[in-house]
Amino acid sequence: GENVEQHPSTLSVQEGDSAVIKCTYSDSASNYFPWYKQELGKRPQLIIDIRSNVGEKKDQRIAVTLNKTAKHFSLHITETQPEDSAVYFCAASLTGANNLFFGTGTRLTVIP
Amino acid sequence: GAVVSQHPSRVICKSGTSVKIECRSLDFQATTMFWYRQFPKKSLMLMATSNEGSKATYEQGVEKDKFLINHASLTLSTLTVTSAHPEDSSFYICSGLLAGVLYNEQFFGPGTRLTVL
Repeated sequence: GENVEQHPSTLSVQEGDSAVIKCTYSDSASNYFPWYKQELGKRPQLIIDIRSNVGEKKDQRIAVTLNKTAKHFSLHITETQPEDSAVYFCAASLTGANNLFFGTGTRLTVIP
Repeated sequence: GAVVSQHPSRVICKSGTSVKIECRSLDFQATTMFWYRQFPKKSLMLMATSNEGSKATYEQGVEKDKFLINHASLTLSTLTVTSAHPEDSSFYICSGLLAGVLYNEQFFGPGTRLTVL
């Protein structure tokens, strides 16, 4: 099955700086790559996703890039704010939004 | 976005008893629901895929006789942890698959924290 690795496991940035989280996947047939934000004890919330027919997608301060050749994708958060502090999970799927395989998570802390 | 609820949010039970967790899609029909398990500070691990009106598909290593899944309607799936033991203590999260015009999307429930004494 698909194997998703995520780095770093923890990330601390100063408010206003950028944060970058990287993920790699093993199955070249994967075609859907969502990113979720999970606050402590809460449900994961989809913040952005990208499909294999696109190389980059942006939504305000959040962007995701996909390199199919290298099988890696990254989350970029610019102008970070304290409320961005949470655990972020990447995921990959071969079948659209079905059967998501999650990365191990990155705990982002934005220091005011 | 679509809303998925779970009940109960927390449950404490004695070892050897069974616990049922409900997952409901409140404002959409979910022919497919997923059940995940999340250990503290760890990732979500897919346990099984639940399809309305048919048997669930379990991931490798998940005991289907221990984690009984029923998806009797388009808005309700249940997970029953049978003969629970302390090692079953975990955060269980479900999600419902919303079929869009072009793409599908999973919407997650708030999770159920199970503690087995």
